[in-house]
Amino acid sequence: AQKITQTQPGMFVQEKEAVTLDCTYDTSDPSYGLFWYKQPSSGEMIFLIYQGSYDQQNATEGRYSLNFQKARKSANLVISASQLGDSAMYFCAMRDLSISSGSARQLTFGSGTQLTVLP
Amino acid sequence: DAMVIQNPRYQVTQFGKPVTLSCSQTLNHNVMYWYQQKSSQAPKLLFHYYDKDFNNEADTPDNFQSRRPNTSFCFLDIRSPGLGDAAMYLCATSIRRDSSTDTQYFGPGTRLTVL
Repeated sequence: AQKITQTQPGMFVQEKEAVTLDCTYDTSDPSYGLFWYKQPSSGEMIFLIYQGSYDQQNATEGRYSLNFQKARKSANLVISASQLGDSAMYFCAMRDLSISSGSARQLTFGSGTQLTVLP
Repeated sequence: DAMVIQNPRYQVTQFGKPVTLSCSQTLNHNVMYWYQQKSSQAPKLLFHYYDKDFNNEADTPDNFQSRRPNTSFCFLDIRSPGLGDAAMYLCATSIRRDSSTDTQYFGPGTRLTVL
């Protein structure tokens, strides 16, 4: 089964509008972290925002916020006031206990959502 | 103020000709990772170093090797590149490997072309 699921291969949003990128996850580890990364066409993976499984409040970082619904196992990224420079691939990722790696907690990525901001 | 640096950004090699990709970091992180990312796919972890302790993923081909001579540098060696090895190679670092809260920071990547 997929550990991280991003159901939107592509999304379009008008400049200055808000957009939500979906992410659901699956883990049996009670301690896990959820991350969102942005990857522009240049290829660099840019860290955006982090949410811990024990965090009571949703994470926010500037125009980025994470809508964390633990019971539903979802961690959607909300980008407010979209800008043309937000056009990129967005990856949801989870770091949890990987049985095959012993105590190491590996980062598992979803398949990504390609966001295009329209002028 | 680049924190994770990868050289070169673009690398072209010939089928079967060994190639080495370089990663350096100024964060003094204990863990360094190498990922392979093919077009329109998510990154796939190849291996990581925790200090000098090397950890290979089970499905990483033997063709891929890594060296970490010191805390700051880590190299990815592809002994005999095949056409299927053409990809973006991403280096990342983190302080710890056993923490779910620890963020991984990535370099800009090296895009490898195999002719």
